[in-house]
Amino acid sequence: DAGVTQSPTHLIKTRGQQVTLRCSPKSGHDTVSWYQQALGQGPQFIFQYYEEEERQRGNFPDRFSGHQFPNYSSELNVNALLLGDSALYLCASSWEFGNEQFFGPGTRLTVL
Amino acid sequence: QQPVQSPQAVILREGEDAVINCSSSKALYSVHWYRQKHGEAPVFLMILLKGGEQKGHEKISASFNEKKQQSSLYLTASQLSYSGTYFCGTEIQGGSEKLVFGKGTKLTVNP
Repeated sequence: DAGVTQSPTHLIKTRGQQVTLRCSPKSGHDTVSWYQQALGQGPQFIFQYYEEEERQRGNFPDRFSGHQFPNYSSELNVNALLLGDSALYLCASSWEFGNEQFFGPGTRLTVL
Repeated sequence: QQPVQSPQAVILREGEDAVINCSSSKALYSVHWYRQKHGEAPVFLMILLKGGEQKGHEKISASFNEKKQQSSLYLTASQLSYSGTYFCGTEIQGGSEKLVFGKGTKLTVNP
């Protein structure tokens, strides 16, 4: 049973560029949440997708957007990258009627 | 709204016990505990639900005091593999699975 997978593992971009991160949820899970984790901090909630719609959103600007596909996989898009966007981006999947969230290995984004 | 974890860091010798606390100013629906090793994703340990029982497996257990909106993680007879940063993630009563994480507690277990 494959767990949560994310791609790419690492990414280096320059300010102003755009980036797309991808996530495949754990088998049987239909809900995907995205988190940003700065160095030395706990994960911060960006948004959550269920049934291809954004269900909840944290305090992140509109530069952060996402999408969920019919197979439950998800993308996180960040436009007009800033230096402060450098972080580990984590995807967590869960089941609509469950409580546990399982995290993927993350994508390390560096903005130069 | 961010839960407060204490202590910020703790250093143990193998076999010693530790308690990590997580408290919130908001009424909580659930508390989730994760352990994260350097450069890795957080690993789910356990979840405590409002009205639920104390959880635990082997030498790691946790409790949830609903009146005080506090949770504690108990690590007994610690092993080297317990080293890492422990995060509590809280779900506000009536929320929708959005987790708000504390800043973490760094646990180091030495031989």
